Parts: sequence; structure tokens; C-alpha cells
Amino acid sequence: QVQLVESGGGVVQPGRSLRLSCAASGFTFSTYGMHWVRQAPGKGLEWVAVIWSDGSKKDHADSVKGRFTISRDNSKNTLYLQMNSLRVEDTAVYICARDRGAGAGFDPWGLGTLVTVSS
Amino acid sequence: DIQMTQSPSTLSGSQGDRVTVTCRASQSIGSSLAWYQRKPGKAPKILIYVASALESGVPSRFSGSGSGTEFTLTISSLQPDDFATYYCQQYYSYPYTFGQGTKLDIK
Repeated sequence: QVQLVESGGGVVQPGRSLRLSCAASGFTFSTYGMHWVRQAPGKGLEWVAVIWSDGSKKDHADSVKGRFTISRDNSKNTLYLQMNSLRVEDTAVYICARDRGAGAGFDPWGLGTLVTVSS
Repeated sequence: DIQMTQSPSTLSGSQGDRVTVTCRASQSIGSSLAWYQRKPGKAPKILIYVASALESGVPSRFSGSGSGTEFTLTISSLQPDDFATYYCQQYYSYPYTFGQGTKLDIK
């Protein structure tokens, strides 16, 4: 079945780096745009970044621009989020989601991976 | 950036109630709006896209309406499985933005 599974979260000190992965299965990964969304503890959903199906275009939220980079490896059916210069306010569950295109919204979503930034 | 304002933040209901959640965009987004259901420990689930299209497999008690700047999600008869948090999302332009969420709990 169509599935997304995130990994790579953990506890990290402020200023350090972490790379998240999102493994896709059950669909032709290379034909879909992909997103990262996060949810801080007790807060709502926040869009983080998007990458086009072929990786040719990317965009990031202002809150992470210059620190986070979205990328993908279509040969490995995997989406990544490189997070540098982490801040306490980046603490959140990071969730990947497939963009179905043509205005059809995000589906499916993964369960997410928790990133805790703390000294 | 387009701001999405959801109301109410919290909604209490009983089984069988009809409830409505409203989402307002800070500028016109046409019909580029989706609604998601979020439960603790579960992946977000799409309910409605292009403002009013019901996702396959989602019960018909869910419906969406609106265009431009004002949108609604209606649950016609609350069921126990519906108690969750609901989010609207605009995908008219980047950065895509979500409403702050509406938590639907049991009265």
C-alpha cells in the first residue's frame, strides 16, 4: 500500500545538525512533489518545505530558510530534510507528505519523527 | 503570506450533532483549500480537497463548501470516531499555510 515512513529524529543540542529521511513505497515516487510539515508540542501544523518531483525546484518556509534544505533521491524512493543550526523552537514532530497534484491536497502522510532541540 | 484563520478553536458536541468549522483566508484562494483530520498518534488524514470534493472513503456526513476567502467544514451527524482536531490548508500559493486547528471534543 502507499506508505511514507520517517526516520532520523532524536535529541540534539542547539546549533547542531540532523538529517531526516522519509522512505516512500507503494507508488511511483519520482512522479510526485513532496513536502515536510511539522507540529510543535501542543501546536498546530506548520508547512516546512516542498520539492518538485524531479528535484528541480524547492521552497522553504521563512522560519527555516537558510538553515534547512529539502532534497530527494528518486533512485532510493527517499525524501530528506537536512536541518542545520537547530534552535529550541525547531522542536517538533516532522511529517512527510505526498502532494497528489492538480489541487488534490496531501495524501498520504507519514506518522512523523520527533526532533527535540535541547541543551 | 496568506493567513488562514479557523474558528472556533474548540468545539464541543454530542453524538448526532451537526457541527460547522469555519476557515477564512486573508486573500482570495479560489477553491485551493483542503481539510484534514488529526488524531494523536495517527497520520493526518485528508477529508476534503478543492474546497468541496469529498475524499474517497470518507463518510458522506463530512462536507465542505466555500470559495474565495470563506470556507466551511460541516459534519452532519457526529459519530464517536469524529472527535479529533481539524485543520484547513490553503495551497493557492507558497508558503502553504494551515489554520490553527479546531479541536472537536465530546460535550
